[in-house]
Amino acid sequence: DTAVSQTPKYLVTQMGNDKSIKCEQNLGHDTMYWYKQDSKKFLKIMFSYNNKELIINETVPNRFSPKSPDKAHLNLHINSLELGDSAVYFCASSQWTAGSYEQYFGPGTRLTVT
Amino acid sequence: DAKTTQPTSMDCAEGRAANLPCNHSTISGNEYVYWYRQIHSQGPQYIIHGLKNNETNEMASLIITEDRKSSTLILPHATLRDTAVYYCIVRPTDSWGKLQFGAGTQVVVTP
Repeated sequence: DTAVSQTPKYLVTQMGNDKSIKCEQNLGHDTMYWYKQDSKKFLKIMFSYNNKELIINETVPNRFSPKSPDKAHLNLHINSLELGDSAVYFCASSQWTAGSYEQYFGPGTRLTVT
Repeated sequence: DAKTTQPTSMDCAEGRAANLPCNHSTISGNEYVYWYRQIHSQGPQYIIHGLKNNETNEMASLIITEDRKSSTLILPHATLRDTAVYYCIVRPTDSWGKLQFGAGTQVVVTP
């Protein structure tokens, strides 16, 4: 069984559209994350939720809105898509344990904005 | 957060040990050293982490210097499937899991 899954794997859309990426983890973890990997391959954290509460919110345009309906899901909604939003988006999860933070990443969603 | 410095790339022969260095000279006492890798077109994969002591698991060994200013990840018997970008990351224990990835080291294992 896949530990962290994302849908869709590929997403091609036009500028100005609104799209969502879904993430689910079946590891029983209490913390989930969204990362963005741009064309230069740098991975940057965007958001993190712990027990459905937002705990990390990096400098991300407010066109990006995460939503966590339950501990196993963290979705990313993007409004008014721009060319610069083209990237690979990775979801990850972990279990909060003092001093230990193994994060398990999903396969990524490649978003292309045309 | 402390920053890390890694070589941009390195080659390794299949079956040999791969030693990946990382400098983290500004590391604080409460910061762990983590290693992740990213195989092409896949999500990052956790390898190992440590605070002060050397650590070993089924994937690799982590050697941390006594002053904690540098560390080495050792892949004991590199295989072609170990070709990936390897990231060395330092992270405070209270940072809610915020991992800051740098450029990493591109490791190419050759036959």
